[in-house]
Amino acid sequence: RKEVEQDPGPFNVPEGATVAFNCTYSNSASQSFFWYRQDCRKEPKLLMSVYSSGNEDGRFTAQLNRASQYISLLIRDSKLSDSATYLCVVNGGPSGGSYIPTFGRGTSLIVHP
Amino acid sequence: NAGVTQTPKFQVLKTGQSMTLQCAQDMNHNSMYWYRQDPGMGLRLIYYSASEGTTDKGEVPNGYNVSRLNKREFSLRLESAAPSQTSVYFCASSRGTADRSPLHFGNGTRLTVT
Repeated sequence: RKEVEQDPGPFNVPEGATVAFNCTYSNSASQSFFWYRQDCRKEPKLLMSVYSSGNEDGRFTAQLNRASQYISLLIRDSKLSDSATYLCVVNGGPSGGSYIPTFGRGTSLIVHP
Repeated sequence: NAGVTQTPKFQVLKTGQSMTLQCAQDMNHNSMYWYRQDPGMGLRLIYYSASEGTTDKGEVPNGYNVSRLNKREFSLRLESAAPSQTSVYFCASSRGTADRSPLHFGNGTRLTVT
Protein backbone atom coordinates (compact mmCIF):
# COMPACT_ATOMS: atom_id res chain seq x y z
CA ARG A 1 0.00 0.00 0.00
CA LYS A 2 1.34 3.40 -0.98
CA GLU A 3 2.08 5.67 2.00
CA VAL A 4 -0.08 8.54 0.81
CA GLU A 5 -3.00 7.91 -1.52
CA GLN A 6 -5.22 10.29 -3.46
CA ASP A 7 -7.93 9.85 -6.06
CA PRO A 8 -6.27 11.18 -9.24
CA GLY A 9 -9.59 12.43 -10.67
CA PRO A 10 -10.06 14.49 -12.68
CA PHE A 11 -12.83 16.18 -10.78
CA ASN A 12 -14.74 18.18 -13.38
CA VAL A 13 -17.03 20.77 -11.72
CA PRO A 14 -18.89 23.93 -12.78
CA GLU A 15 -17.98 27.33 -11.41
CA GLY A 16 -19.57 27.93 -8.04
CA ALA A 17 -19.63 24.26 -7.07
CA THR A 18 -18.31 22.82 -3.84
CA VAL A 19 -15.79 20.02 -4.24
CA ALA A 20 -13.95 17.87 -1.71
CA PHE A 21 -10.84 15.74 -1.96
CA ASN A 22 -9.60 13.11 0.46
CA CYS A 23 -6.12 11.80 1.06
CA THR A 24 -5.34 8.70 3.11
CA TYR A 25 -2.02 7.95 4.78
CA SER A 26 -0.64 4.71 6.14
CA ASN A 27 1.82 5.85 8.81
CA SER A 28 -0.05 6.42 12.07
CA ALA A 29 3.03 8.22 13.48
CA SER A 30 2.70 11.02 10.92
CA GLN A 31 2.92 14.41 12.54
CA SER A 32 2.16 17.11 10.02
CA PHE A 33 0.01 17.46 6.96
CA PHE A 34 -0.25 19.90 4.10
CA TRP A 35 -2.12 20.61 0.90
CA TYR A 36 -0.14 21.98 -2.03
CA ARG A 37 -1.38 23.28 -5.34
CA GLN A 38 0.48 22.58 -8.56
CA ASP A 39 -0.26 24.27 -11.85
CA CYS A 40 0.71 22.56 -15.08
CA ARG A 41 4.48 22.04 -15.30
CA LYS A 42 5.18 24.41 -12.42
CA GLU A 43 6.49 23.91 -8.91
CA PRO A 44 4.12 22.93 -6.08
CA LYS A 45 3.07 25.80 -3.86
CA LEU A 46 1.79 25.54 -0.33
CA LEU A 47 -1.98 25.98 -0.18
CA MET A 48 -2.47 25.34 3.52
CA SER A 49 -1.28 23.36 6.49
CA VAL A 50 -3.75 20.99 8.10
CA TYR A 51 -4.24 21.30 11.84
CA SER A 52 -5.77 18.75 14.19
CA SER A 53 -8.77 20.93 14.89
CA GLY A 54 -9.35 21.68 11.21
CA ASN A 55 -8.69 25.05 9.62
CA GLU A 56 -10.16 27.38 7.09
CA ASP A 57 -8.64 29.91 4.72
CA GLY A 58 -11.26 31.78 2.74
CA ARG A 59 -13.02 29.29 0.48
CA PHE A 60 -10.72 26.44 1.52
CA THR A 61 -11.24 24.17 4.52
CA ALA A 62 -8.84 21.43 5.58
CA GLN A 63 -9.63 18.68 8.05
CA LEU A 64 -7.64 15.90 9.69
CA ASN A 65 -9.10 12.61 10.88
CA ARG A 66 -6.37 10.79 12.78
CA ALA A 67 -8.56 7.83 13.73
CA SER A 68 -9.26 7.01 10.09
CA GLN A 69 -5.92 8.38 8.87
CA TYR A 70 -7.09 10.78 6.25
CA ILE A 71 -7.07 14.48 5.51
CA SER A 72 -9.53 16.36 3.39
CA LEU A 73 -9.71 19.58 1.42
CA LEU A 74 -13.01 21.32 0.73
CA ILE A 75 -13.24 24.08 -1.85
CA ARG A 76 -16.38 26.19 -1.83
CA ASP A 77 -17.62 28.44 -4.63
CA SER A 78 -15.10 27.05 -7.13
CA LYS A 79 -13.43 29.52 -9.50
CA LEU A 80 -11.94 28.86 -12.91
CA SER A 81 -8.58 29.75 -11.37
CA ASP A 82 -8.88 26.84 -8.94
CA SER A 83 -8.19 24.45 -11.82
CA ALA A 84 -4.95 22.71 -10.85
CA THR A 85 -3.59 19.56 -9.28
CA TYR A 86 -3.88 19.35 -5.50
CA LEU A 87 -1.14 17.45 -3.73
CA CYS A 88 -1.45 15.94 -0.29
CA VAL A 89 1.78 15.91 1.73
CA VAL A 90 2.34 13.97 4.91
CA ASN A 91 5.43 14.29 7.09
CA GLY A 92 5.79 10.66 8.03
CA GLY A 93 7.03 9.04 11.16
CA PRO A 94 10.61 9.46 12.27
CA SER A 95 13.36 7.98 10.19
CA GLY A 96 16.38 8.42 12.40
CA GLY A 97 14.65 11.36 14.06
CA SER A 98 13.57 13.03 10.83
CA TYR A 99 10.06 13.50 9.53
CA ILE A 100 10.30 13.20 5.78
CA PRO A 101 7.63 14.73 3.54
CA THR A 102 5.85 12.19 1.35
CA PHE A 103 3.59 13.24 -1.50
CA GLY A 104 0.42 11.76 -2.84
CA ARG A 105 0.13 11.55 -6.61
CA GLY A 106 -2.26 14.47 -6.70
CA THR A 107 -5.90 15.08 -7.55
CA SER A 108 -6.70 16.98 -10.72
CA LEU A 109 -9.45 19.61 -10.53
CA ILE A 110 -11.00 21.18 -13.62
CA VAL A 111 -13.47 24.00 -13.06
CA HIS A 112 -15.50 24.87 -16.14
CA PRO A 113 -17.77 27.85 -16.90
CA ASN B 1 13.16 37.34 -2.09
CA ALA B 2 14.66 34.62 -4.34
CA GLY B 3 13.67 31.66 -2.12
CA VAL B 4 14.90 28.46 -3.79
CA THR B 5 16.82 28.81 -7.04
CA GLN B 6 17.51 25.90 -9.36
CA THR B 7 19.70 25.77 -12.42
CA PRO B 8 19.46 24.93 -15.23
CA LYS B 9 15.77 25.21 -16.13
CA PHE B 10 16.09 22.85 -19.11
CA GLN B 11 18.71 20.29 -20.12
CA VAL B 12 19.05 17.67 -22.82
CA LEU B 13 21.66 14.96 -22.32
CA LYS B 14 22.76 11.97 -24.30
CA THR B 15 22.82 8.58 -22.58
CA GLY B 16 26.01 8.23 -20.56
CA GLN B 17 26.67 11.94 -20.14
CA SER B 18 26.97 13.45 -16.69
CA MET B 19 25.63 16.66 -15.23
CA THR B 20 25.01 18.43 -11.96
CA LEU B 21 21.80 20.18 -11.02
CA GLN B 22 22.37 23.12 -8.74
CA CYS B 23 20.09 24.34 -5.96
CA ALA B 24 20.49 27.23 -3.55
CA GLN B 25 18.19 28.71 -0.91
CA ASP B 26 18.43 32.02 0.87
CA MET B 27 15.93 31.36 3.67
CA ASN B 28 18.48 30.00 6.16
CA HIS B 29 16.73 26.64 6.04
CA ASN B 30 18.40 23.62 7.58
CA SER B 31 16.90 20.91 5.38
CA MET B 32 17.01 20.46 1.63
CA TYR B 33 15.53 17.88 -0.70
CA TRP B 34 15.62 16.64 -4.27
CA TYR B 35 12.45 15.21 -5.83
CA ARG B 36 11.66 13.94 -9.28
CA GLN B 37 8.22 14.10 -10.83
CA ASP B 38 7.06 11.79 -13.58
CA PRO B 39 3.59 11.69 -15.16
CA GLY B 40 1.19 9.72 -12.97
CA MET B 41 3.85 9.10 -10.31
CA GLY B 42 3.69 12.22 -8.17
CA LEU B 43 6.83 13.60 -6.54
CA ARG B 44 9.31 11.00 -5.35
CA LEU B 45 12.16 11.80 -3.01
CA ILE B 46 15.63 11.12 -4.40
CA TYR B 47 17.87 12.37 -1.58
CA TYR B 48 17.57 14.77 1.28
CA SER B 49 19.85 16.62 3.64
CA ALA B 50 18.38 17.09 7.09
CA SER B 51 21.13 19.53 8.01
CA GLU B 52 24.44 20.81 6.73
CA GLY B 53 26.91 17.95 6.60
CA THR B 54 24.37 15.13 6.31
CA THR B 55 22.70 13.46 3.36
CA ASP B 56 20.36 10.49 3.20
CA LYS B 57 18.72 8.39 0.53
CA GLY B 58 15.09 8.82 -0.29
CA GLU B 59 12.74 6.57 -2.20
CA VAL B 60 14.56 6.54 -5.58
CA PRO B 61 18.32 7.24 -5.06
CA ASN B 62 19.80 4.87 -7.65
CA GLY B 63 21.78 6.64 -10.36
CA TYR B 64 22.18 9.87 -8.37
CA ASN B 65 24.61 11.44 -5.96
CA VAL B 66 24.25 14.58 -3.89
CA SER B 67 26.45 17.09 -2.16
CA ARG B 68 25.42 19.47 0.58
CA LEU B 69 28.09 22.04 -0.20
CA ASN B 70 27.12 24.39 2.63
CA LYS B 71 23.92 25.44 4.35
CA ARG B 72 22.66 27.22 1.24
CA GLU B 73 23.51 24.78 -1.52
CA PHE B 74 22.50 21.20 -2.32
CA SER B 75 23.49 19.73 -5.68
CA LEU B 76 22.30 16.61 -7.48
CA ARG B 77 24.63 14.74 -9.82
CA LEU B 78 23.86 12.25 -12.54
CA GLU B 79 27.11 10.41 -13.24
CA SER B 80 25.91 8.48 -16.30
CA ALA B 81 22.51 9.63 -17.48
CA ALA B 82 19.94 7.09 -18.63
CA PRO B 83 16.65 7.63 -20.51
CA SER B 84 14.81 6.51 -17.33
CA GLN B 85 16.10 9.69 -15.68
CA THR B 86 14.11 11.87 -18.04
CA SER B 87 11.95 13.77 -15.60
CA VAL B 88 11.23 17.08 -13.93
CA TYR B 89 13.48 17.63 -10.93
CA PHE B 90 12.49 19.85 -8.03
CA CYS B 91 14.69 21.07 -5.23
CA ALA B 92 13.00 22.08 -2.00
CA SER B 93 13.96 23.35 1.42
CA SER B 94 12.38 23.56 4.85
CA ARG B 95 13.31 24.88 8.28
CA GLY B 96 14.02 21.36 9.45
CA THR B 97 12.93 17.76 9.34
CA ALA B 98 12.32 17.59 13.09
CA ASP B 99 9.56 20.18 13.01
CA ARG B 100 6.39 20.59 11.02
CA SER B 101 7.50 23.23 8.58
CA PRO B 102 6.33 23.09 4.98
CA LEU B 103 8.51 22.76 1.89
CA HIS B 104 9.47 25.62 -0.39
CA PHE B 105 10.22 24.63 -3.97
CA GLY B 106 12.44 25.83 -6.76
CA ASN B 107 11.07 26.26 -10.27
CA GLY B 108 12.23 22.86 -11.43
CA THR B 109 14.66 21.47 -14.01
CA ARG B 110 13.24 19.69 -17.04
CA LEU B 111 15.73 17.02 -18.06
CA THR B 112 15.53 14.90 -21.19
CA VAL B 113 17.96 12.02 -21.73
CA THR B 114 18.08 10.69 -25.29
